[in-house]
Amino acid sequence: GAGVSQTPSNKVTEKGKYVELRCDPISGHTALYWYRQSLGQGPEFLIYFQGTGAADDSGLPNDRFFAVRPEGSVSTLKIQRTERGDSAVYLCASRQGGDSPLHFGNGTRLTVT
Amino acid sequence: GQQVMQIPQYQHVQEGEDFTTYCNSSTTLSNIQWYKQRPGGHPVFLIQLVKSGEVKKQKRLTFQFGEAKKNSSLHITATQTTDVGTYFCAGRGGYQKVTFGTGTKLQVIP
Repeated sequence: GAGVSQTPSNKVTEKGKYVELRCDPISGHTALYWYRQSLGQGPEFLIYFQGTGAADDSGLPNDRFFAVRPEGSVSTLKIQRTERGDSAVYLCASRQGGDSPLHFGNGTRLTVT
Repeated sequence: GQQVMQIPQYQHVQEGEDFTTYCNSSTTLSNIQWYKQRPGGHPVFLIQLVKSGEVKKQKRLTFQFGEAKKNSSLHITATQTTDVGTYFCAGRGGYQKVTFGTGTKLQVIP
């Protein structure tokens, strides 16, 4: 079956611009996570959705970052006024619920020039 | 907040040698999961441990969860070149937030 899909796979943007990163989870998965991974580091938790609501957004670095999941399926991570330090791979993962395994997408590599 | 550290950060082994990575959490965990990330890839689930002192095996891989549920280890016996990658532990505290460890990058020299 289809896995977690993330688009775009690569995004290059100029400092100060706005970007949107999309995640399409596995059908039926109620939980959706966003992580950020810098080179040589572990995935850094950003936000977790259970259904449509953000159950835990404690990992969002600042108010330039925002994420939505309006219908409980597709999620969009939005970054305003991008900075060079935002450059990283943004990973999305979904799972059925409880403590089932996280299924990751291939990520979006964001480069801010 | 919860922090999950892994040691070593890097490990180079000769093919056929054993490998161990250790994971330590600053807080007690409800469970711990292990993931493997190949170069250029995304993390892929390996296993989950839930009970205090639990030990699970997958072929050449042995996973342990500490008695206090604050640490875990992954041991690979007789490494192969296919074991190359970065191994992450990931712990869940009291809620559904899953915190990943810092990872151990394994290189296997043929």
